[in-house]
Amino acid sequence: SQKIEQNSEALNIQEGKTATLTCNYTNYSPAYLQWYRQDPGRGPVFLLLIRENEKEKRKERLKVTFDTTLKQSLFHITASQPADSATYLCALRYSSASKIIFGSGTRLSIRP
Amino acid sequence: DTEVTQTPKHLVMGMTNKKSLKCEQHMGHRAMYWYKQKAKKPPELMFVYSYEKLSINESVPSRFSPECPNSSLLNLHLHALQPEDSALYLCASSQVTGLAGELFFGEGSRLTVL
Repeated sequence: SQKIEQNSEALNIQEGKTATLTCNYTNYSPAYLQWYRQDPGRGPVFLLLIRENEKEKRKERLKVTFDTTLKQSLFHITASQPADSATYLCALRYSSASKIIFGSGTRLSIRP
Repeated sequence: DTEVTQTPKHLVMGMTNKKSLKCEQHMGHRAMYWYKQKAKKPPELMFVYSYEKLSINESVPSRFSPECPNSSLLNLHLHALQPEDSALYLCASSQVTGLAGELFFGEGSRLTVL
């Protein structure tokens, strides 16, 4: 069965640095890979989506890359701020089904 | 503010109770979802409705019974739950399934089963 791994359970970095989160998957590549942010006790919020034929997407301080050869997506937050502290989830969606499968998440902490 | 509204925000119930969780969206989305999330774990898919019809049931025990009365509403009926069913129950909606469709989540209903 398909497995999704977000390598770091927790990541602590200094304010102003770039945070890089990793999402790896096994087996076949999804048609779409999404990233969500989740704050404690709240529902996830959609951030970015990248398609399998795209290598990179950007939105303000966020950047996502998608490497189907490595079966990996990287999520970058540049000029990180304490307000970026949250759990970040990658999610895979396959064109042949309506399922979205979530990775285990990375808890990001930005210290002032 | 989320455009998916879930009620109640908190629910405490005994193992013999019957209760329901409710979800509403007015974004015109025709796909609606129930996810279950335990502490420090990712959301786990339970059910998917597409055009008001159940399209996916992830082998969820029958003590959870979903219902989609119309395109804006999604219910989850609960009966004879177990303490291990205590979790955050998240409703989500998206544009028609089969597209990239980002999920719009509600704030969740925190369920405690005593």
